Amino acid sequence: TQLLEQSPQFLSIQEGENLTVYCNSSSVFSSLQWYRQEPGEGPVLLVTVVTGGEVKKLKRLTFQFGDARKDSSLHITAAQPGDTGLYLCAGRTWNSGYALNFGKGTSLLVTP
Amino acid sequence: SAVISQKPSRDICQRGTSLTIQCQVDSQVTMMFWYRQQPGQSLTLIATANQGSEATYESGFVIDKFPISRPNLTFSTLTVSNMSPEDSSIYLCSVERGNTGELFFGEGSRLTVL
Repeated sequence: TQLLEQSPQFLSIQEGENLTVYCNSSSVFSSLQWYRQEPGEGPVLLVTVVTGGEVKKLKRLTFQFGDARKDSSLHITAAQPGDTGLYLCAGRTWNSGYALNFGKGTSLLVTP
Repeated sequence: SAVISQKPSRDICQRGTSLTIQCQVDSQVTMMFWYRQQPGQSLTLIATANQGSEATYESGFVIDKFPISRPNLTFSTLTVSNMSPEDSSIYLCSVERGNTGELFFGEGSRLTVL
């Protein structure tokens, strides 16, 4: 059973377009993280959200944690080819210990 | 951040053989984590490796198949034993820095079993 569901699974857009990636669960998370992974590399942390309703911005990326701490979204404004990669959400529940539960990821391709 | 080096970066192996993956961290860490990333699947935690004690394995993973060593605070190895094509995957080493649960990953070891 997948604890975190990400959508869409694949996304191909033109440079300059906006997009939103979703991460949903029926479980409540103590914290949730977003990572980006490029081919041949390990995931790199983008942000951690810990408070329900929290919004964090990282340049053109906006991350939101749902009020109920069960979901999160990543919005990219004016996407660039450098944004291409696999975006993974990951979270810990209150009883998951050290295990970080990952979604399957959203594969984003931004073409010039 | 942390600098984490994994070896090998990729390998092609024959069924029935074993492969050991090495993970070196640039500073001392208490816990090191080994993840598996199968094609089209999410990252799955295999085990947590503490220095000086047996690794703790997650459900579905056993020590006989994935023996782990943790000889010191900067190094760990994961062995994939008696490999089958189903073991073809990316294996990732990671560490946690600070108290926010943020993970730093190595570049991964891509294993293909024929």
